[in-house]
Amino acid sequence: QKEVEQNSGPLSVPEGAIASLNCTYSDRVSQSFFWYRQYSGKSPELIMSIYSNGDKEDGRFTAQLNKASQYVSLLIRDSQPSDSATYLCAVTRNTGFQKLVFGTGTRLLVSP
Amino acid sequence: GAVVSQHPSWVICKSGTSVKIECRSLDFQATTMFWYRQFPKQSLMLMATSNEGSKATYEQGVEKDKFLINHASLTLSTLTVTSAHPEDSSFYICSASLPLYEQYFGPGTRLTVT
Repeated sequence: QKEVEQNSGPLSVPEGAIASLNCTYSDRVSQSFFWYRQYSGKSPELIMSIYSNGDKEDGRFTAQLNKASQYVSLLIRDSQPSDSATYLCAVTRNTGFQKLVFGTGTRLLVSP
Repeated sequence: GAVVSQHPSWVICKSGTSVKIECRSLDFQATTMFWYRQFPKQSLMLMATSNEGSKATYEQGVEKDKFLINHASLTLSTLTVTSAHPEDSSFYICSASLPLYEQYFGPGTRLTVT
């Protein structure tokens, strides 16, 4: 079992729709959870961080964390073609240096 | 805030030569810096973790004598790929963080070894 699992996609949504990206993790003592966006040929860009159960909203983005189910998701409202990218879920191991474990990413395609 | 730079952004070198990549945190002092490698259509693979003033901690399977990491200050870490070979061609990305804070990534360095 991979430490962090994501559906590779592509997830295709029309412009203006809600895109829902999901991620599960295996280490029950994981502490911090992050969503990064990566455009082709570019480095990852931090979108959201979430540390406690529940929802966290930032603009069009909402991160949801359920530690009991070991599940974290990212919702993108009013999706735009510029949101088309690969979204990486990352989880910190229970160490002192915040080492990130990445999922393989979900490719999102937003069609005009 | 939280800007991380890398230099060079791309480099082409001949097989057998060494290449140095610099990673700088521009607007904060990073206690820890990380080096990743990403091959096409694959996710990021952590190579090593470095803390200022101490030896880097390498991930399993990463040759420490081939990938030399120096974390000279709280704002600068360097990765030297020694005796590069074509299979070392990849996208190398650094990140920097403060304790218990998010990691911020540099723009990456694309290395091509001919």
